[in-house]
Amino acid sequence: EVQLVETGGGFLQPGGSLTLSCAASGFIVTNSYMNWVRQAQGGGLEWVSVISGDGKTFYAESVKGRFTISRDISKNTLFLQMTSLRAADTAMYYCTSSGFSGYDVYPHWGQGTLVTVSS
Amino acid sequence: SYVLTQPPSVSVAPGETATITCGGNDIGSKSVHWYQQKTGQAPVLVINYDSARPSGIPERFSGSNSGNTAILTITRVEAGDEADYYCQMWNFNDDHPVIFGGGTKVTVL
Repeated sequence: EVQLVETGGGFLQPGGSLTLSCAASGFIVTNSYMNWVRQAQGGGLEWVSVISGDGKTFYAESVKGRFTISRDISKNTLFLQMTSLRAADTAMYYCTSSGFSGYDVYPHWGQGTLVTVSS
Repeated sequence: SYVLTQPPSVSVAPGETATITCGGNDIGSKSVHWYQQKTGQAPVLVINYDSARPSGIPERFSGSNSGNTAILTITRVEAGDEADYYCQMWNFNDDHPVIFGGGTKVTVL
């Protein structure tokens, strides 16, 4: 069974840094396309970043240059390093995976981890 | 970049049919996926590749995609179908490959 468990969320001040983790089981992270998707309170789903099976990365314009997506195959874990955080980055962050489904659809989602940026 | 447009809300009586649209330029030439998100929960995939139902999704959920509009249809709507619904696609043409629609709140009257 595929499972994704996010950790690392928290409360921090503007300008701070945080790294989110997403521990995967039931599949190998390098065999899947994996995303970070965020959702502000009361808002819609906003795509943040994707890493392909062969390691190509893409970012939303709003986080480009501040966020870095990566993975560790030894831990079968996806990461999101976030720097220069802003109040607008406050959201629930979800890890998603295409699993065995290809690259463009995401049947697997974690439960989310909450990031709050406030002074 | 590419934009997917959804109506903010749809209201439907129990037992009736809910129709949720997702508009985009020539979207019929792309694959569209639909997610259901109930309050306080992570999204769940309900339709993939325009019209395929993942395992465990009721037959009441169906999808179509043609021209400039993809459609999610929920027949015989139940109270438990009340949720936000999002369309999503992969955009090959620029550096923002994963696109979500703005979401549609389905309210069961």
